[in-house]
Amino acid sequence: QKEVEQNSGPLSVPEGAIASLNCTYSDRGSQSFFWYRQYSGKSPELIMSIYSNGDKEDGRFTAQLNKASQYVSLLIRDSQPSDSATYLCAVRGTGGGNKLTFGTGTQLKVEL
Amino acid sequence: DAGVIQSPRHEVTEMGQEVTLRCKPISGHDYLFWYRQTMMRGLELLIYFNNNVPIDDSGMPEDRFSAKMPNASFSTLKIQPSEPRDSAVYFCASSLQINQPQHFGDGTRLSIL
Repeated sequence: QKEVEQNSGPLSVPEGAIASLNCTYSDRGSQSFFWYRQYSGKSPELIMSIYSNGDKEDGRFTAQLNKASQYVSLLIRDSQPSDSATYLCAVRGTGGGNKLTFGTGTQLKVEL
Repeated sequence: DAGVIQSPRHEVTEMGQEVTLRCKPISGHDYLFWYRQTMMRGLELLIYFNNNVPIDDSGMPEDRFSAKMPNASFSTLKIQPSEPRDSAVYFCASSLQINQPQHFGDGTRLSIL
């Protein structure tokens, strides 16, 4: 079992719709969770961080965390073509020096 | 603010050659990380430093890989000898503290022929 799992996609949504990206993790003691956006040929860019159960909103982005179920999700409201990218979920575990482990990413395509 | 700076942006070399990748972290960041990204394996942590000291190098694939951080503003990742399977994008990232978000450089796209 991978430590951090994401569907590779592509996830296609029409412009203006809500995009929902999901991530599950195996380390039950994990405390820090991050979403990075990576455009093709570019570096990962941090867009959200979440540390507590529940929802955290920032503009059109909402991160949701459920530690009991070991999943974290990212919702993008009013999706725009510029949101088309690969979204990486990253989880900081409790062992191994608190390293950040990345999922392989979900490719999002927002269609006109 | 200047972000994490990596050089070179692209490197193409022949198998067996030595490759040196360079990174300048964000000033004031105590942690520096080296990652490798491939289509098959995604983003993998190779090694990270705290205050110039290597903390965890368990992700370094083989003895052919080595990393140094001689001072707070410079780190190198060296591959000697290089092999075609080392072809990947290598990212450097830095953070203020271990539990703070990491900021990535633009990466070095490495091709070993």
